[in-house]
Amino acid sequence: GAGVSQSPRYKVAKRGQDVALRCDPISGHVSLFWYQQALGQGPEFLTYFQNEAQLDKSGLPSDRFFAERPEGSVSTLKIQRTQQEDSAVYLCASRPGASEKLFFGSGTQLSVL
Amino acid sequence: GIQVEQSPPDLILQEGANSTLRCNFSDSVNNLQWFHQNPWGQLINLFYIPSGTKQNGRLSATTVATERYSLLYISSSQTTDSGVYFCAVRSRYNTDKLIFGTGTRLQVFP
Repeated sequence: GAGVSQSPRYKVAKRGQDVALRCDPISGHVSLFWYQQALGQGPEFLTYFQNEAQLDKSGLPSDRFFAERPEGSVSTLKIQRTQQEDSAVYLCASRPGASEKLFFGSGTQLSVL
Repeated sequence: GIQVEQSPPDLILQEGANSTLRCNFSDSVNNLQWFHQNPWGQLINLFYIPSGTKQNGRLSATTVATERYSLLYISSSQTTDSGVYFCAVRSRYNTDKLIFGTGTRLQVFP
């Protein structure tokens, strides 16, 4: 596709519910990143993939957060037993192998009630 | 970890004015990028500029890596420039993750 695509655009979950957020990177982009952005804050790093390998997951806030990219393209961020503090915008970004520039999707706004 | 601070936190301009946004970072970096987040939340990459100076239309950026700062210049501002400007850096001693600054919120009025 022309850009990084994320779905759903908005997600409302009840506390304790599991959610799955999808990211379709730009075709051919090797690296994929997930960021979390709280209201009024800058994006904070969650995890990073190079192809299907998860090279850095140091930013995942708890073991309720899990990310995968099984075939090296589409990625899913899963949050189990959601809590109110998980409410944020979740941003996905991708980068081609030969460039340092990062391209972001529009994000998924998660609200946990 | 590396700290990234931006100033000013908020900036209000009238259309046509010029402005300078600053990004200070606490450690050596090998990657620095400037982003604009529009009012709809979309992050747009403006510059990849680990050192030196680049220009793109009314925008230009300068990074002085040895002194650990970068500047983003906006000339003849337009209402469409409104939004939040972030710089993001990667420590030369770390993995591939970009660390984002605190942001500068710009509002341009007609």
